[in-house]
Amino acid sequence: ETGVTQSPTHLIKTRGQQVTLRCSSQSGHNTVSWYQQALGQGPQFIFQYYREEENGRGNFPPRFSGLQFPNYSSELNVNALELDDSALYLCASSFKSGAAYGYTFGSGTRLTVV
Amino acid sequence: QKEVEQNSGPLSVPEGAIASLNCTYSDRGSQSFFWYRQYSGKSPELIMFIYSNGDKEDGRFTAQLNKASQYVSLLIRDSQPSDSATYLCAVKDTGGFKTIFGAGTRLFVKA
Repeated sequence: ETGVTQSPTHLIKTRGQQVTLRCSSQSGHNTVSWYQQALGQGPQFIFQYYREEENGRGNFPPRFSGLQFPNYSSELNVNALELDDSALYLCASSFKSGAAYGYTFGSGTRLTVV
Repeated sequence: QKEVEQNSGPLSVPEGAIASLNCTYSDRGSQSFFWYRQYSGKSPELIMFIYSNGDKEDGRFTAQLNKASQYVSLLIRDSQPSDSATYLCAVKDTGGFKTIFGAGTRLFVKA
């Protein structure tokens, strides 16, 4: 059984640029959620994808967008980067059936916007 | 705005003691509750989930849930230095589409 993998692990971008982060779900998981974690804070929900459609979104602007592919892998795209977008971005996969299932997190992508 | 509140700590306990971590939540309709452990520089790791009132035990960990008081706790028995980490309380919201995390409680276990 493979875990959740994210790429890249670290990234430095300039304000105004665009970035794409990638995630491969754990085998058997069909739901992917993306979180942003600023230093010293808990993870903040960005959005969730199930069956290639967004089915839940947090308080993030439209410049945060995503995709889920038929193999359940996912991308997070952020346009017009701002300094406050600097954070750890976490991908979490889960099996949607059953409310008691928790997440398996990837190791995260550390994004620095300068 | 649905919220999950935790004492940020740090909570310091001696090795072998019981560590008690607490969490309150605002969404009365929530049904699923989780505790994650996050080591410094690492991603969160699920250690416990609970969805019925009462206690759930797994090894040295016990999760306690009181839906009437909207309160969740985690007890760690025989605390070890390797338990030193940030513990995140998480609650799945009524709609079931997202899990809301608290800011975490930093735990230090002194050898």
